[in-house]
Amino acid sequence: QVQLQESGPGLVKPSETLSLTCTVSGGTVNTGLYYWTWIRQSPGRGLEWIGYIYFTGSANYNPSLESRVTISMDTSKNQFSLQLNSVTAADTAVYFCASERGSNIGWGQGTLVTVSS
Amino acid sequence: DIQMTQSPSSLSASVGDRVTITCRASQDINRWLVWYQQKPGKAPKSLIYDASSLQSGVPSRFSGSGYGTDFTLTISNLQPEDFATYYCQQHHRYPLTFGGGTKVEIK
Repeated sequence: QVQLQESGPGLVKPSETLSLTCTVSGGTVNTGLYYWTWIRQSPGRGLEWIGYIYFTGSANYNPSLESRVTISMDTSKNQFSLQLNSVTAADTAVYFCASERGSNIGWGQGTLVTVSS
Repeated sequence: DIQMTQSPSSLSASVGDRVTITCRASQDINRWLVWYQQKPGKAPKSLIYDASSLQSGVPSRFSGSGYGTDFTLTISNLQPEDFATYYCQQHHRYPLTFGGGTKVEIK
C-alpha cells in the first residue's frame, strides 16, 4: 500500500481558493492501480467524497462540488492536488487524500483547513 | 446519490458486550459496502469490506453481514480499544457516500 501525505495552508479566507497537495510514496501516481482521491470530513457534513483523478488524467467529481473543484496530478513530483474555489465557512474540514481501489481506500493522515477571515 | 443511513447515531456499552450497528442504503448496492473504525485525530481504518469480509489484521470479534440495502456490523465481546466511531461506506456507484457514523461510548 502506498503512503500519502497532505500539505497546504491550514487557513484560507472566504471567497478564496483552497489548494492542497498530496505526496505519494511507495508507489507512483502514474499507474492504473488506484484512483487518486480527495475526501473531507466536518462535523456538519460528515465524511464527503470530493472526487478523484486517474492516471490517464480523467477526473470524476462529486456533483455537489463539481462547479468549484479541480483535481490534478504532477507525475514528475509524484503528487496530486486539490483546488476548491470560492470557499465559505462550510468548507472548513479535515481534508484527506486517499488511494482508492474498489473496496480498498488507503488514507493520508488528514489536514485541517479552516475558512475564516 | 446513494444515501447511507446508520443507526443508532450513538450507543453506550460495557466491555464484554455485543454491539450491533446497522446501515441502510437508499438503493441496492449488492455487497459493495465497507465498515470503518475511526478514533479522534486519525483517518478511518477499514474493518470489513464487501459487506462481510474481514480486513487482514482485524480481530475476529468484528463481523459484517447483509446484502442489497441492509447491512450490519457486529462487535462481539467489546474491548476497551473498540470505543470509537464507526462508519459504513458504499462503493457501488460514484459519488462514494458514507453513513453518518455511530459513536460507541463506554457505559
